[in-house]
Amino acid sequence: QVQLVESGGGVVQPGRSLRLSCAASGFSFSTYAMHWVRQAPGKGLEWVAVIWYDERNKYYGDSVKGRFTISRDKSKNTLYLQMDSLRVEDTAAYYCARDRDSSGHLFLDHWGQGTLVTVSS
Amino acid sequence: QSVLTQPPSVSGAPGQRVTISCTGSSSNIGAGYDVHWYQQLPGTAPKLVIYVNSNRPSGVPDRFSGSKSGTSASLAITGLQADDEADYYCQSYDSSLRHVFGTGTKVTVL
Repeated sequence: QVQLVESGGGVVQPGRSLRLSCAASGFSFSTYAMHWVRQAPGKGLEWVAVIWYDERNKYYGDSVKGRFTISRDKSKNTLYLQMDSLRVEDTAAYYCARDRDSSGHLFLDHWGQGTLVTVSS
Repeated sequence: QSVLTQPPSVSGAPGQRVTISCTGSSSNIGAGYDVHWYQQLPGTAPKLVIYVNSNRPSGVPDRFSGSKSGTSASLAITGLQADDEADYYCQSYDSSLRHVFGTGTKVTVL
């Protein structure tokens, strides 16, 4: 069965960096687009980024563009989110999710359990 | 910054029908992009309940249905049950090459 397991969350000071990982199993990782979605405490879902199956294209939400980088390693079946210049408002649970399409234009049919990132001094 | 607007809350008694609206614009839903719906139970990850406007994934009861028209979409839950109490989010794609989520709706079973 499809499994997505995030890791790498924690407490970090403003301005510092953090890298999240999402280990995928149970499906052909290299044929699906993958997303990061976040949810601040008590708030709604916010789309963060998507990467195509072949890494050819990556797109970002306005609030993280230029600071976050999405990437993937097909040899390790792992999705990453490199978060630089972190801000207090980046505090959230971060979910990785699989897109039903290889180019990331459809719906998110499987989600991980999330990893919590807290940005605080 | 959600660009899809949903009512903050809806409620109904067990067995009743509730609907949740999702209003977008000409750059997302109105541009022809599909709408999908997610259920988020307290303390858990979101779960897909409707995809491509009106389709149910395997395992989702037929009490859940979706529709889309113009720049809006809606999710209906009939025969409301206690375990339907959750937050629901619509999602679509935008011509700015971003995915967008709705503001979220809390469904309360009275």
